[in-house]
Amino acid sequence: EDKVVQSPLSLVVHEGDTVTLNCSYEVTNFRSLLWYKQEKKAPTFLFMLTSSGIEKKSGRLSSILDKKELSSILNITATQTGDSAIYLCAVKSGGSEKLVFGKGTKLTVNP
Amino acid sequence: DGGITQSPKYLFRKEGQNVTLSCEQNLNHDAMYWYRQDPGQGLRLIYYSQIVNDFQKGDIAEGYSVSREKKESFPLTVTSAQKNPTAFYLCASTVSERSGNTIYFGEGSWLTVV
Repeated sequence: EDKVVQSPLSLVVHEGDTVTLNCSYEVTNFRSLLWYKQEKKAPTFLFMLTSSGIEKKSGRLSSILDKKELSSILNITATQTGDSAIYLCAVKSGGSEKLVFGKGTKLTVNP
Repeated sequence: DGGITQSPKYLFRKEGQNVTLSCEQNLNHDAMYWYRQDPGQGLRLIYYSQIVNDFQKGDIAEGYSVSREKKESFPLTVTSAQKNPTAFYLCASTVSERSGNTIYFGEGSWLTVV
């Protein structure tokens, strides 16, 4: 059974801190790993990582895929209160369109 | 504008009733999904469909049913057999790309059992 595990489940930091969120996976025939940010309703897309694109960066957010360790990290530098959200990791495996999500990391950034 | 439309946004169900959540997309996507999210939790896959007239069970399909008669529509029925249906339900769809897939979400539907 495909599995995606995120850690920590929750995290509380102060504005300006740097955070690292973790995602590990066990899937057959890995195709891609996706990061999403969810504030109140639908998740919004952050990054997609594949074998041909293992590192992505956008502003204060960056993500790296470690195919050897079957994991990914999401870094947020100089955190702001607007970064408070649930961050979701999802993995797509080959052979089907099934997309498996982790439980998410709830990040709270205090002023 | 292209997108995914879920309705209703809020729904109350009496115990023993079946209810149907609607999901429509005009993105011409082949694959569609239904996820359930409980407070503070991640998304759990209920059902997914890769093509019209075909669908597969996800991890928590018991007590739910779906149909995929049209490419743009993937309704979810929460049956009376689902013992704890109060949750946030998200519909999604994907377009297959050579380098992988990105998933597009609807705005979600809140279902509460009263």
